[in-house]
Amino acid sequence: EAQVTQNPRYLITVTGKKLTVTCSQNMNHEYMSWYRQDPGLGLRQIYYSMNVEVTDKGDVPEGYKVSRKEKRNFPLILESPSPNQTSLYFCASSPPPPHEEQFFGPGTRLTVL
Amino acid sequence: DQQVKQNSPSLSVQEGRISILNCDYTNSMFDYFLWYKKYPAEGPTFLISISSIKDKNEDGRFTVFLNKSAKHLSLHIVPSQPGDSAVYFCAASWGGGYNNNDMRFGAGTRLTVKP
Repeated sequence: EAQVTQNPRYLITVTGKKLTVTCSQNMNHEYMSWYRQDPGLGLRQIYYSMNVEVTDKGDVPEGYKVSRKEKRNFPLILESPSPNQTSLYFCASSPPPPHEEQFFGPGTRLTVL
Repeated sequence: DQQVKQNSPSLSVQEGRISILNCDYTNSMFDYFLWYKKYPAEGPTFLISISSIKDKNEDGRFTVFLNKSAKHLSLHIVPSQPGDSAVYFCAASWGGGYNNNDMRFGAGTRLTVKP
């Protein structure tokens, strides 16, 4: 089954404790990205990757890091989480843009206390 | 600056009637538009899209209309079914950008279809 998986699905942590949210896709897609969803703001892109070892900032990259060492994986790293990073996070993948529909993971709900 | 706006946070319709979800955009560079549907505890899934060279695209019960002069698009669902109850996101992108950093999403509209 073609899918994008994310782990964990739910996470409660404390300020400053480093965490990683994993993302993996089995569709051999070149393009992957991370979004956060906040009430009234829709989906905002954090980082994206056009291919292995190629990553770039989206609209809201502050406080996040990513890496793309393998085509299928695109982890999101929060080195020192803060309460304003409490959000619902989605990973997505697609064939190379433009104009390709994106396939989203099920989401990770993160709470930073 | 939200370049894609969905001004109705929620919409409630009766089963069998038409649902109309609206979306406005401000960036005239956008030339491709998509609708995604999201159920609770799941990620958004692609529903339907339209290129700026068209003014209508239909897929079964779903039709998207594009009015470029008004920078407005709408999604029509006819007839609406209870299973259509979800959050609908409008998205816009432009082909000049070689990455989906040039895709923008609206805030979403929660549709409730009552039996």
